[in-house]
Amino acid sequence: EDKVVQSPLSLVVHEGDTVTLNCSYEVTNFRSLLWYKQEKKAPTFLFMLTSSGIEKKSGRLSSILDKKELFSILNITATQTGDSAVYLCAVEPQGAQKLVFGQGTRLTINP
Amino acid sequence: DGGITQSPKYLFRKEGQNVTLSCEQNLNHDAMYWYRQDPGQGLRLIYYSQIVNDFQKGDIAEGYSVSREKKESFPLTVTSAQKNPTAFYLCASSIFYGYTFGSGTRLTVV
Repeated sequence: EDKVVQSPLSLVVHEGDTVTLNCSYEVTNFRSLLWYKQEKKAPTFLFMLTSSGIEKKSGRLSSILDKKELFSILNITATQTGDSAVYLCAVEPQGAQKLVFGQGTRLTINP
Repeated sequence: DGGITQSPKYLFRKEGQNVTLSCEQNLNHDAMYWYRQDPGQGLRLIYYSQIVNDFQKGDIAEGYSVSREKKESFPLTVTSAQKNPTAFYLCASSIFYGYTFGSGTRLTVV
C-alpha cells in the first residue's frame, strides 16, 4: 500500500526562524512528489519534484528530493506570519494519475 | 478565469439523510477527484474519474457515490451508509502534471 508520512505534525516557531519539514514515502513506481500549502481551504501548489538531488527554489522556500532514501524536505527561511499554514506532501505513483497525501504539518509562526 | 467551483461552502444535514456536493470545473481537465480531509489525517481519496462516464473507487469509497456524465461536473453523494460523514471535502482536477483544487465544502451532520 502506498504511504506518505510527514513530520513533525505540528511546529510552532518565531518569526525569522528557519524551518525544515519532512516527508518520507513508500510507493511502487514513483512518478513525482508535490508540496502544497493550505491556509484556509484550497491547497495551493508549491513544488513538484521528479529528480533526485535537484533543489527547487521559490523565494524563501526550497525543496529537495532524495529518491534513494525515499525522502523530501521543504525548507522555509526567514519565516513570516504569512507562512502559517498546513503544508501537505503528496506522491503520485507512475501510471496512477492520483495523489497519495501525508497527514500534513501544521506550521504556526508567532510574531 | 478558469478554476474549480465547489458548492455549497457549508452544509448541514441531519443524520440518515443523503446529501450531494457539487464540483464544476472549466479547465477542460480530463481527470477529477474527491478527497476527504479530517483533522490530523491529511487528504484521503474517495473517488476519481479519468474520463466521462468512468470512475474508480479510492481508498475510502464506502458510503459515497459519484457520477461523471459531463467532463465539467463530478458530483459526490454522501449516503446514509457513511458512518462518519462530518468532514471537509475537496474536489480537484488534473491534466498531465498539475492538480487544481476547489475551495472545499464543509459538511456537518447533526
